[in-house]
Amino acid sequence: AQTVTQSQPEMSVQEAETVTLSCTYDTSESDYYLFWYKQPPSRQMILVIRQEAYKQQNATENRFSVNFQKAAKSFSLKISDSQLGDAAMYFCAYRSATRDDKIIFGKGTRLHILP
Amino acid sequence: GAVVSQHPSRVICKSGTSVKIECRSLDFQATTMFWYRQFPKQSLMLMATSNEGSKATYEQGVEKDKFLINHASLTLSTLTVTSAHPEDSSFYICSAPAGGGGSRIYTGELFFGEGSRLTVL
Repeated sequence: AQTVTQSQPEMSVQEAETVTLSCTYDTSESDYYLFWYKQPPSRQMILVIRQEAYKQQNATENRFSVNFQKAAKSFSLKISDSQLGDAAMYFCAYRSATRDDKIIFGKGTRLHILP
Repeated sequence: GAVVSQHPSRVICKSGTSVKIECRSLDFQATTMFWYRQFPKQSLMLMATSNEGSKATYEQGVEKDKFLINHASLTLSTLTVTSAHPEDSSFYICSAPAGGGGSRIYTGELFFGEGSRLTVL
């Protein structure tokens, strides 16, 4: 069975600084997706970034980028120029490439932004 | 982007009553929807997979008779918490895979509803 592990329950970063959230996963599949979702206090789940496993290039979305290491099964999220609005719970997630398969979430990392 | 709408956002009910939560995909078809439960300060726990035209698939430990799921159409799935008790109080979230039907490109991600906070007194 696939698992997703986030080893940092909480993290803090100074506003405008850079922070990296860690995520490791375990799977025997070769084709899958990895995601970082953000859950602000409103509790609406928001997709931050997506990575297809077959792509070697790391995904980037504005201030958000990932370091995807397929062999090591590592998928960290880097947030540059942190902003107060980035404060939220961040979930790393895995999904098989099977079209209707479920998403498996890590336990989450709560990110605090210090003004 | 695709939108998944969930209703109601908050519901308070008395112990022993049943509560229905609706999940709609507004601009795409969803043959599959997922229902999650989230306790305070915890991650999302998958409860069941809702399948249009067939029975839902429940995760281990989830009571089928307690949490009734019906996927009535390609855009609607409902979760009914039957004979609710205080321990059923929680935040329930539905989601649907992007890419179901039409010309929408499959991206692998799930779109999430706004969530429903259930409080059982």
